[in-house]
Amino acid sequence: GAGVSQTPSNKVTEKGKYVELRCDPISGHTALYWYRQSLGQGPEFLIYFQGTGAADDSGLPNDRFFAVRPEGSVSTLKIQRTERGDSAVYLCASSLGARTEAFFGQGTRLTVV
Amino acid sequence: KNEVEQSPQNLTAQEGEFITINCSYSVGISALHWLQQHPGGGIVSLFMLSSGKKKHGRLIATINIQEKHSSLHITASHPRDSAVYICAVWYTGNQFYFGTGTSLTVIP
Repeated sequence: GAGVSQTPSNKVTEKGKYVELRCDPISGHTALYWYRQSLGQGPEFLIYFQGTGAADDSGLPNDRFFAVRPEGSVSTLKIQRTERGDSAVYLCASSLGARTEAFFGQGTRLTVV
Repeated sequence: KNEVEQSPQNLTAQEGEFITINCSYSVGISALHWLQQHPGGGIVSLFMLSSGKKKHGRLIATINIQEKHSSLHITASHPRDSAVYICAVWYTGNQFYFGTGTSLTVIP
């Protein structure tokens, strides 16, 4: 596609459930980033992929969060046993390589009730 | 510490006014992004720059590497410019560090 696509755009889930958020980056972009933005806050880094590998997952808050990018394109952020504090907008960005111009998706708004 | 500070935090302007938003960072960087975020919307990249000045339409971004400072200027502001403007910097690692954003409201 022409831009970074994230699905779903909105997700409401019950506390304790499992969710998957998808990011489809711009074709050919090897670098992919996940960020989380809570209301009124700036984006918070979660994880960075270079190709298929997670080059930096230091931002994942705990072991309930996991992300994969098995073929080096689409990435899935997985959250187990969701908690109300996980409610946020999850942003994905991609770029041609490390430290080049990044392009952001529209985000997935996750609400845990 | 990798800090990114923006000012002002909130800004209200009359249509047509010239607007400046500032961004300061704490250590040397490889590049800086100016981003725009509309309410409920995703983030759009306005500029990426590592030196000098860039211009797109009514938007101008400048960066002074020695002073660790960048500015975003909007000329002839319009209500559709109302958004949150975020400065994000690359340090030497693998992630952006984001400023807290400047919420701009342009009144007709």
